Amino acid sequence: AQTVTQSQPEMSVQEAETVTLSCTYDTSESNYYLFWYKQPPSRQMILVIRQEAYKQQNATENRFSVNFQKAAKSFSLKISDSQLGDTAMYFCACSMNRDDKIIFGKGTRLHILP
Amino acid sequence: EADIYQTPRYLVIGTGKKITLECSQTMGHDKMYWYQQDPGMELHLIHYSYGVNSTEKGDLSSESTVSRIRTEHFPLTLESARPSHTSQYLCASRGRLDLDTQYFGPGTRLTVL
Repeated sequence: AQTVTQSQPEMSVQEAETVTLSCTYDTSESNYYLFWYKQPPSRQMILVIRQEAYKQQNATENRFSVNFQKAAKSFSLKISDSQLGDTAMYFCACSMNRDDKIIFGKGTRLHILP
Repeated sequence: EADIYQTPRYLVIGTGKKITLECSQTMGHDKMYWYQQDPGMELHLIHYSYGVNSTEKGDLSSESTVSRIRTEHFPLTLESARPSHTSQYLCASRGRLDLDTQYFGPGTRLTVL
């Protein structure tokens, strides 16, 4: 069975610091996509960053970058120069191409402290 | 920015009432999804659709039903609401060229008294 595991239920960091959120996954698919979604308190879930499994280069979106290690099935999210607006639940997810679903982790609640 | 809408945003209703949660998207996406999420918790897929006249049950058993008569519309119905249905319901959609990415609506927070 495909699984996505986020081992950090909650984290807190000071504003302007760098923080890394961990994620591991397990899939038998040969090609798949990995995602980090952000869900701010009482606000809409939005896509932060996406990685295609067949691409070795790590994806980057402004202050957000990933460390994708395919052999280890690890997909961590690094947030640089963290801002108060980064406070949110972050969900790691993996697409399951066979049935068009996405498997989500249980989430990491991130608090950015002033 | 994804154009996917959910109404109502908040709903408080009594036990036994029939309710329909609306979800619409203007992107022409074939695939649509309903998730149930308790506040601050993980997402559970309860229904999905590959296109018009296609509906499938998700990984979490749900007493709700869905329909897909039009591409842009994917409503979820509870025939008789119960307090155990209190939760947040998120709708999502995905297009063929979106590299498996799902785009989410703002959610409906349902409270059944």
